[in-house]
Amino acid sequence: DTGVSQDPRHKITKRGQNVTFRCDPISEHNRLYWYRQTLGQGPEFLTYFQNEAQLEKSRLLSDRFSAERPKGSFSTLEIQRTEQGDSAMYLCASSKTTGVLNYGYTFGSGTRLTVV
Amino acid sequence: AQSVTQPDIHITVSEGASLELRCNYSYGATPYLFWYVQSPGQGLQLLLKYFSGDTLVQGIKGFEAEFKRSQSSFNLRKPSVHWSDAAEYFCAVATGGNNDMRFGAGTRLTVKP
Repeated sequence: DTGVSQDPRHKITKRGQNVTFRCDPISEHNRLYWYRQTLGQGPEFLTYFQNEAQLEKSRLLSDRFSAERPKGSFSTLEIQRTEQGDSAMYLCASSKTTGVLNYGYTFGSGTRLTVV
Repeated sequence: AQSVTQPDIHITVSEGASLELRCNYSYGATPYLFWYVQSPGQGLQLLLKYFSGDTLVQGIKGFEAEFKRSQSSFNLRKPSVHWSDAAEYFCAVATGGNNDMRFGAGTRLTVKP
């Protein structure tokens, strides 16, 4: 098991362009989470999936953001019409959850987005 | 909603000295509490977690944390700091099922030789 993989590691894009990030979770983990982290801050929750179902979205996730997990395996996070305020580290995490027990998240190394 | 406060933005300790990083949480029920460490440009690594039971929790890399319900605190400690411990440390709180883990703003640890 190689842990949680995120691709790309870095992305520089022009304002107004669309970007898509990919996350491959640990294979036996049923939950997948997306967080955003800006400089000097802790990660902020964006959304999470249980298998292929998106169960919760933060109000931080504007309608320019969309996330999918089509087959309950990898996930993509797309940002449309990027703005400079979208510049941040986007972190993916996965966890194995049984009922209300969660054994802790495993985070990927993140995708750093710079919007110029 | 739950929240986490890490009062110290930056702490500097000498190598070999003891360390305590503070964390206070706000949550109505018994929280699930976590400490993560993040090296520059990297993701977060779980150091330890508290769900229930013994309030003194042992983690990786020689770290421990103590849950004190009366003080709403979950402070991280290490008896002797190594230069490789220099990093950003995040405390986090979650509800049952951890659907929405909330992180503190982090404490940056610098280790002096």
